[in-house]
Amino acid sequence: DGGITQSPKYLFRKEGQNVTLSCEQNLNHDAMYWYRQDPGQGLRLIYYSQIVNDFQKGDIAEGYSVSREKKESFPLTVTSAQKNPTAFYLCASSPGGGQSYNEQFFGPGTRLTVL
Amino acid sequence: AQTVTQSQPEMSVQEAETVTLSCTYDTSESDYYLFWYKQPPSRQMILVIRQEAYKQQNATENRFSVNFQKAAKSFSLKISDSQLGDAAMYFCAYEYFGNEKLTFGTGTRLTIIP
Repeated sequence: DGGITQSPKYLFRKEGQNVTLSCEQNLNHDAMYWYRQDPGQGLRLIYYSQIVNDFQKGDIAEGYSVSREKKESFPLTVTSAQKNPTAFYLCASSPGGGQSYNEQFFGPGTRLTVL
Repeated sequence: AQTVTQSQPEMSVQEAETVTLSCTYDTSESDYYLFWYKQPPSRQMILVIRQEAYKQQNATENRFSVNFQKAAKSFSLKISDSQLGDAAMYFCAYEYFGNEKLTFGTGTRLTIIP
């Protein structure tokens, strides 16, 4: 089955610790995205990557970091600098490559709670 | 910057009835795409329907259709013959042509009344 996997589904972290959220896709998509979802605020873009070894900041990148060493993987690190990290995090991918439009396919999400 | 506004935080509809969810957007671009995504209680985001701005014909997918008014920058979603499985958060989203980034509205929670 082709799709996007995110792990873990639930993640708990102590304040001051860094934590890494996993995102893997086997759709052979070029582009990958990380979103944060908070109640009443919809989805906000954290980082995105259109090609391996390259990525750009989204609207709320402060306190987060990413890497894109492989086409199928786009891990997100929530650092201790993120002031309010408790949220639901969604990873997505799209074909990219300058196609006329890019339908984004989403993973099941990770719920991060800072204790 | 582009913005997407969904002014109805919550809506409810009787099963088998029709409901319309509203969305307005602000952009200075002429080539773009609009989307409606559904997020059921499982929280898995699912694409419901998309509309290309250059097309005058409104998109339709089975019981889901849109009313796209480009001049008014309005993009509403109509769900006909509502079913219990339609209960979800619905998000309107905008993508500028070639930008590969989506801008989302804040969502509308739809409840289906049996």
